[in-house]
Amino acid sequence: KAGVTQTPRYLIKTRGQQVTLSCSPISGHRSVSWYQQTPGQGLQFLFEYFSETQRNKGNFPGRFSGRQFSNSRSEMNVSTLELGDSALYLCASSASRDRGPGSGANVLTFGAGSRLTVL
Amino acid sequence: AQSVTQLGSHVSVSEGALVLLRCNYSSSVPPYLFWYVQYPNQGLQLLLKYTSAATLVKGINGFEAEFKKSETSFHLTKPSAHMSDAAEYFCAVSLNSGGYQKVTFGIGTKLQVIP
Repeated sequence: KAGVTQTPRYLIKTRGQQVTLSCSPISGHRSVSWYQQTPGQGLQFLFEYFSETQRNKGNFPGRFSGRQFSNSRSEMNVSTLELGDSALYLCASSASRDRGPGSGANVLTFGAGSRLTVL
Repeated sequence: AQSVTQLGSHVSVSEGALVLLRCNYSSSVPPYLFWYVQYPNQGLQLLLKYTSAATLVKGINGFEAEFKKSETSFHLTKPSAHMSDAAEYFCAVSLNSGGYQKVTFGIGTKLQVIP
């Protein structure tokens, strides 16, 4: 069973540019979450998609956006990049159901991340 | 609201010594608790999870954690550290919020194992 695949693994951008990151979840997983990881801040939740709909959103500015396709693959986009956007962006998928008891127990399976450096 | 506090952003132990990584949580309802591990240049992977079936949870690679409701703690332990345990460890609390899963991670603890 293939894991969660994130592309690209590494990228360098300059301030003001925009970037698109891609995430292919485990086959059958319909929930995809995105996190930003920086030293000293840990993992900060960006958003979660389920069946092409954004279900939850973290406290990030509107420059951060995402979408999910019908095959559950997801992309996130950051526009007008700032130096502070340099981070490891992690995608995680889970077999989360639409609603239901015990959904809090779902395990997140993470990709290896996309490391973004903004110069 | 839910939150996680990991005491000690860096922990150093000698090879063969006890590993103890601390995690305290705050939650208004009984939570699900997880420990994930991240090796260099990799994503996070599950070590173990607590889902109320048993307070002592055994995970992979000899790790275990004990849920203590009275102390709101979920500390991770391993009796004897191995060099391969050097990694960053994240505690996470998860709730069923409005029917959906909401996960909050701690800031992480980097474990160094000294030969």
